[in-house]
Amino acid sequence: DIVMTQSPATLSVSPGERVTLSCRASQSVYTNLAWYQQKRGQAPRLLIYSATHRASGIPARFSGSGSGTEFTVTISSLQSEDFAVYYCQQYNDWPQTFGQGTKVEIK
Amino acid sequence: QVTLKESGPALVKPTQTLTLTCTVSGFSLNEIGMRVSWIRQPPGRAPEWLGCIDWDDQSFYTTYLKTRLTISKDTSKDQVVLQMTYMEPVDTATYYCARTLPYSGYDAWGQGTLVTVSS
Repeated sequence: DIVMTQSPATLSVSPGERVTLSCRASQSVYTNLAWYQQKRGQAPRLLIYSATHRASGIPARFSGSGSGTEFTVTISSLQSEDFAVYYCQQYNDWPQTFGQGTKVEIK
Repeated sequence: QVTLKESGPALVKPTQTLTLTCTVSGFSLNEIGMRVSWIRQPPGRAPEWLGCIDWDDQSFYTTYLKTRLTISKDTSKDQVVLQMTYMEPVDTATYYCARTLPYSGYDAWGQGTLVTVSS
């Protein structure tokens, strides 16, 4: 199985700051990678697919980059509604696998 | 409007079989490329992909649960069904169904249903 490793586990940031979250795959997933945001008590919400494409309705402050084994998602200016847990997921190979998540909390 | 909704028991006893139903609307399970997956999330932990069924009835499962899982669909009822045998307390989680198209992430999720395994 492909192991997805996210870093850091927790990030303490202030509103307005630029934030970059990382995700590493144990083998190449090409660009078959998605990012999700999850708030407490809610289902995950798709932010980015195919590593760089924003999903419908996602604000432009979210951007994704990377290919192969290294990926990042950047929030250009953190808003109050962005404090949440972020997960990456690969869908290149069976079984599909998620990272363990990065929690973005208020500093 | 695309919606998915999970239904099933909130509590199951150890060794029992869990059956969950995902009822969808706003899209067709027969649409070429359509895939519906089951994903679970234990309390405080990351989501875990369990398996999926495609528009052409192909199904795929996560490796270590393969012998316990069956995913099927009934297109006449717009439903996808998950069966998981021999439930144990470690299977306690919120179970989600979600849909995707090729080379895309899961763009629509159900609200999730919490299943607790306890005697």
